[in-house]
Amino acid sequence: GENVEQHPSTLSVQEGDSAVIKCTYSDSASNYFPWYKQELGKGPQLIIDIRSNVGEKKDQRIAVTLNKTAKHFSLHITETQPEDSAVYFCAASRPQAAGNKLTFGGGTRVLVKP
Amino acid sequence: GAVVSQHPSRVICKSGTSVKIECRSLDFQATTMFWYRQFPKQSLMLMATSNEGSKATYEQGVEKDKFLINHASLTLSTLTVTSAHPEDSSFYICSVKRGRALHNEQFFGPGTRLTVL
Repeated sequence: GENVEQHPSTLSVQEGDSAVIKCTYSDSASNYFPWYKQELGKGPQLIIDIRSNVGEKKDQRIAVTLNKTAKHFSLHITETQPEDSAVYFCAASRPQAAGNKLTFGGGTRVLVKP
Repeated sequence: GAVVSQHPSRVICKSGTSVKIECRSLDFQATTMFWYRQFPKQSLMLMATSNEGSKATYEQGVEKDKFLINHASLTLSTLTVTSAHPEDSSFYICSVKRGRALHNEQFFGPGTRLTVL
């Protein structure tokens, strides 16, 4: 089955700096890669996603890049703010016929220092 | 996005009792819902896929007789933890998949914190 590795497990940045989280996946059939933000005691919130026919996607301060050949994708947060502090999870999913199950990475705890 | 609710948000029960958790899709019909379990400082682990009108599909290692799933309508799925024990204490989160489209987006509920004494 699919295996998703996520690095780093913790990330501390100064407010205003950029944060980068990287994930690798094992199943070349995966075609959907969402990123979730989870605050303490809450459910994950979808913040951005990318499909395998796109190399990059941006939404304000958040961007995601995908390298299908290398089977890795990254989340970039620019101009970080204290409210960006949370745990971020990457995930990968195969096409609908395979059930659309998401396989999650281990998570990255991001701390933005004011 | 999508609006997903869970009830209760928090439950404490005695060992041996059963607990039912509800997951509702509030703004669209969800033919597929997923149930996850998350232990402290760990990632989300898929327990089962809940399909409206049919039996749930459980992941390897998840006991279907212990974690009963019912998806009786397009807006409601329930997870019942039967004969709960302290090791079942965890954060249970459901997610819904939008309609029958080819899109893969899953939207998560706020989670239910289960504590078994």
